[in-house]
Amino acid sequence: ETGVTQTPRHLVMGMTNKKSLKCEQHLGHNAMYWYKQSAKKPLELMFVYSLEERVENNSVPSRFSPECPNSSHLFLHLHTLQPEDSALYLCASSQEMAGGPYEQYFGPGTRLTVT
Amino acid sequence: AQSVTQLDSHVSVSEGTPVLLRCNYSSSYSPSLFWYVQHPNKGLQLLLKYTSAATLVKGINGFEAEFKKSETSFHLTKPSAHMSDAAEYFCVVSDSSNTGNQFYFGTGTSLTVIP
Repeated sequence: ETGVTQTPRHLVMGMTNKKSLKCEQHLGHNAMYWYKQSAKKPLELMFVYSLEERVENNSVPSRFSPECPNSSHLFLHLHTLQPEDSALYLCASSQEMAGGPYEQYFGPGTRLTVT
Repeated sequence: AQSVTQLDSHVSVSEGTPVLLRCNYSSSYSPSLFWYVQHPNKGLQLLLKYTSAATLVKGINGFEAEFKKSETSFHLTKPSAHMSDAAEYFCVVSDSSNTGNQFYFGTGTSLTVIP
């Protein structure tokens, strides 16, 4: 787990707050991902960054805004969230190259509660 | 389209007895298949992966899985369960047609190990 770190581990925020989730990977990978994990539902892919460019946005509401300043860091900026956005948010990274797909390495997640 | 079905949402075994977690997949191309484990309040950890090499794949902690194309299955097994195996297990499919190394997750199987 130390290959991918996430902060904070727990976050409680009101619907009018602005907060950010941070992810850092120490594996030298060139792709990073945000997932949402809700109870009783499959993991939902939110965003994919490959070589620091966004390549996937699975119809995520605009109140979630990702940022990838370099290949090691990924942020998820949160604004005006709804209670149904409460979930575990997981960050992952992988090394993309010919012959893939290759396994993704996950961080421990941020447990978000929206009140 | 790619998808994964984990046939059991909960499995309960006694310590020292075999474990079988079932997974069926659907993929239009040659799939890559993965099993991940998630312990409480932790991120996902890769157990093993199949990427068109040997059909019987050995992973960490004594787990293995067999790729059966004719049955579109990739069931996870372990000869003897240990208390530390209690966790949530996810079957994942990806394929070479994807961009950005997109994974499709099953809904998970919760494994309980009875002392």
